[in-house]
Amino acid sequence: DTEVTQTPKHLVMGMTNKKSLKCEQHMGHRAMYWYKQKAKKPPELMFVYSYEKLSINESVPSRFSPECPNSSLLNLHLHALQPEDSALYLCASRGLLGANVLTFGAGSRLTVL
Amino acid sequence: AQTVTQSQPEMSVQEAETVTLSCTYDTSESDYYLFWYKQPPSRQMILVIRQEAYKQQNATENRFSVNFQKAAKSFSLKISDSQLGDAAMYFCAYKRTTNFGNEKLTFGTGTRLTIIP
Repeated sequence: DTEVTQTPKHLVMGMTNKKSLKCEQHMGHRAMYWYKQKAKKPPELMFVYSYEKLSINESVPSRFSPECPNSSLLNLHLHALQPEDSALYLCASRGLLGANVLTFGAGSRLTVL
Repeated sequence: AQTVTQSQPEMSVQEAETVTLSCTYDTSESDYYLFWYKQPPSRQMILVIRQEAYKQQNATENRFSVNFQKAAKSFSLKISDSQLGDAAMYFCAYKRTTNFGNEKLTFGTGTRLTIIP
């Protein structure tokens, strides 16, 4: 298995909803990443987990709450989001070997109404 | 802070022809990695090619090759024999060498490549 799987592919939520994005990989990678990508813009780093511990938080608002319950799974919990949070959320992972390359998932397209 | 600049927002090339995408970056580090990723309409970021800064030899992957000029901080991508499946947004990216899991991939603004049949 050489993939990063993200679910759901599309999510529409209201500003008062609570939802979660899920990311899963079975490549034994011990670093996992969340990126946010607005339309026609490059991805921007949000969080990095290394060995299931949060190692980087790029000053992301607390309405985004990451969680790494085990080495294969990364969640992004969403609460009280704003319409400007609508974006493509990309998950990526990296192993210790593998030439410093991040493997990306296909993303979750989030729309906040 | 490291910055990555792609000065060509859009490029087009005739099928089977060759095209070069430009990328420059700014860093004070001596050891780092450079990447080209493509993002087709399917949205998934796919690695095209990578280059380690300590290697003088330019990386090559089949029809894709780079021209890495470390002193000039330039990292261009050449696509030979362009194919319709090459149509995508291409991002140049930089990553400095640091501890595993404590690293940040910085992307340029992207170049949208159109292949003309």
